[in-house]
Amino acid sequence: NAGVTQTPKFQVLKTGQSMTLQCAQDMNHNSMYWYRQDPGMGLRLIYYSASEGTTDKGEVPNGYNVSRLNKREFSLRLESAAPSQTSVYFCASRDRARGLVEKLFFGSGTQLSVL
Amino acid sequence: GESVGLHLPTLSVQEGDNSIINCAYSNSASDYFIWYKQESGKGPQFIIDIRSNMDKRQGQRVTVLLNKTVKHLSLQIAATQPGDSAVYFCAESHTGGFKTIFGAGTRLFVKA
Repeated sequence: NAGVTQTPKFQVLKTGQSMTLQCAQDMNHNSMYWYRQDPGMGLRLIYYSASEGTTDKGEVPNGYNVSRLNKREFSLRLESAAPSQTSVYFCASRDRARGLVEKLFFGSGTQLSVL
Repeated sequence: GESVGLHLPTLSVQEGDNSIINCAYSNSASDYFIWYKQESGKGPQFIIDIRSNMDKRQGQRVTVLLNKTVKHLSLQIAATQPGDSAVYFCAESHTGGFKTIFGAGTRLFVKA
């Protein structure tokens, strides 16, 4: 039972470099999410995908793009990394098909540093 | 706008005592509230939830109280154990919606 798997776990980038964070879930969930966590600010929603084939902006989408590759996978791309994007990134999923079950299942996170 | 905040950023309790973590929310339209626990180096994990048509919900050693009049949420942990040391987040959501908004978190320290 892997749940939500994120890769890589750690990454260091130079300003201007690009990279893609990968996320996959094996729970057959419909909705998937990308959050970033900064000290003292809780988790902020970057983008989400309510279902396969759809994506929408969250609270802090600037500087990011996403792709819902299929029902299992949801990737987050930084086209030109900036120091302000240094953060811990969490992917999460949720099964909206189960009626009122609202809880999120999180991956273990990617710690990203942009120098 | 929507916001979910916490009264105290850090809470220190003695092992065996009860812990109370508080949270204030501002969006009157929110109808679903969740508590998550985050241990060091891990992602948040669901603890307990409550809907706005309830005032209280109990789980195993945890109780969530909701006061809609003052927009206040609390998490009570009975007989706190060292394994309860973590950061606790409250979060709000809307039934049928897709966004979950998180508060800043409270770090709970359990002293042996």
